[in-house]
Amino acid sequence: GQNIDQPTEMTATEGAIVQINCTYQTSGFNGLFWYQQHAGEAPTFLSYNVLDGLEEKGRFSSFLSRSKGYSYLLLKELQMKDSASYLCAVRDRDYKLSFGAGTTVTVRA
Amino acid sequence: IAGITQAPTSQILAAGRRMTLRCTQDMRHNAMYWYRQDLGLGLRLIHYSNTAGTTGKGEVPDGYSVSRANTDDFPLTLASAVPSQTSVYFCASSDLGVDTGELFFGEGSRLTVL
Repeated sequence: GQNIDQPTEMTATEGAIVQINCTYQTSGFNGLFWYQQHAGEAPTFLSYNVLDGLEEKGRFSSFLSRSKGYSYLLLKELQMKDSASYLCAVRDRDYKLSFGAGTTVTVRA
Repeated sequence: IAGITQAPTSQILAAGRRMTLRCTQDMRHNAMYWYRQDLGLGLRLIHYSNTAGTTGKGEVPDGYSVSRANTDDFPLTLASAVPSQTSVYFCASSDLGVDTGELFFGEGSRLTVL
């Protein structure tokens, strides 16, 4: 099974940078995902890491260290529309995806 | 528009009643999933299917059943609903043959059991 931990809430100012950490314990690692979920909506895919290192996608970057069971999502040049919940998820070898409880990010003007 | 369709969007149900949540995808994805989302607990996997004709149990399968008779449809049935099954239910699909195999989610079904 999976045990996935991420902070409950974070607040940041428009234009700033925020880093959301995620730690996990898994019985069979097969990829780590980050999803964004706005209130009342479905989650949408942001990023995927299966090898160690940094994946950059515009203002969003995601990092993975498999040996440490650790990932982070970096949001740069924050915009008001980035206020949402960010979900860390780990896939196992049966292709089941387990999610953390999510981090609610509030962007203030 | 291609994607995942869930029905109903919202439902209020009396305890003890049987309920089926419908999920259809037109992306020809091989894998499909049902999650429930509750405040403070995040998304929890109920059942999944990696290919038509097969299903598997997730983290919280008790009280729920699924079937996967074909690629496109993956209904979730509550045989006898209880108040603890009040939740938002998300269906998702993925193509396990591609590099990322990320999940695509439906818009959710909000179920209230009284």
